[in-house]
Amino acid sequence: DAKTTQPPSMDCAEGRAANLPCNHSTISGNEYVYWYRQIHSQGPQYIIHGLKNNETNEMASLIITEDRKSSTLILPHATLRDTAVYYCIVRPRTDSWGKLQFGAGTQVVVTP
Amino acid sequence: DAGITQSPRHKVTETGTPVTLRCHQTENHRYMYWYRQDPGHGLRLIHYSYGVKDTDKGEVSDGYSVSRSKTEDFLLTLESATSSQTSVYFCAISNDRAGANVLTFGAGSRLTVL
Repeated sequence: DAKTTQPPSMDCAEGRAANLPCNHSTISGNEYVYWYRQIHSQGPQYIIHGLKNNETNEMASLIITEDRKSSTLILPHATLRDTAVYYCIVRPRTDSWGKLQFGAGTQVVVTP
Repeated sequence: DAGITQSPRHKVTETGTPVTLRCHQTENHRYMYWYRQDPGHGLRLIHYSYGVKDTDKGEVSDGYSVSRSKTEDFLLTLESATSSQTSVYFCAISNDRAGANVLTFGAGSRLTVL
């Protein structure tokens, strides 16, 4: 699986958009970008995924650059409940998750 | 969500005792996983299963065994618990969602080994 690089932490004001970057310069053509988050003491939660097109769902938007070497997760109107560790992962769509290791992620703190 | 239930949610035990954690799913997903999470280490895969009686090791499998005698249950056993196995354990299943294979996690089991 391609390696990802995320900033260790970032702050965001409540009500503002949170833009979380992820670099994945060695991504292969068949690898998707996945985002998960983990709120304190809870299990990780799937947010969104994409291959090359921008994606949006009820939780967030995912912007993938044209060369696919980086992406940005956008939380459009951050709330205090969005405080969590956010993980960016790249992997082929159909592979088992058996050999995947989650990285350290980005600790996002949303402040009032 | 994917109907994943972990039990027990909290357990305190003593060094040297056996411990079994249970993961139960209700939707017949083929793949199931056990992870542990510790401060400074993130999520690390212990074992996973790709079918009944089919399992494989993950990154940190030493000291752990698993069993999957039926599709819905994936058991993680610590034969002789040690203090280094104090951790939060997460079970997960993988399923198709919006055209891709995604992981869905349980709520976690917090184990303390004294």
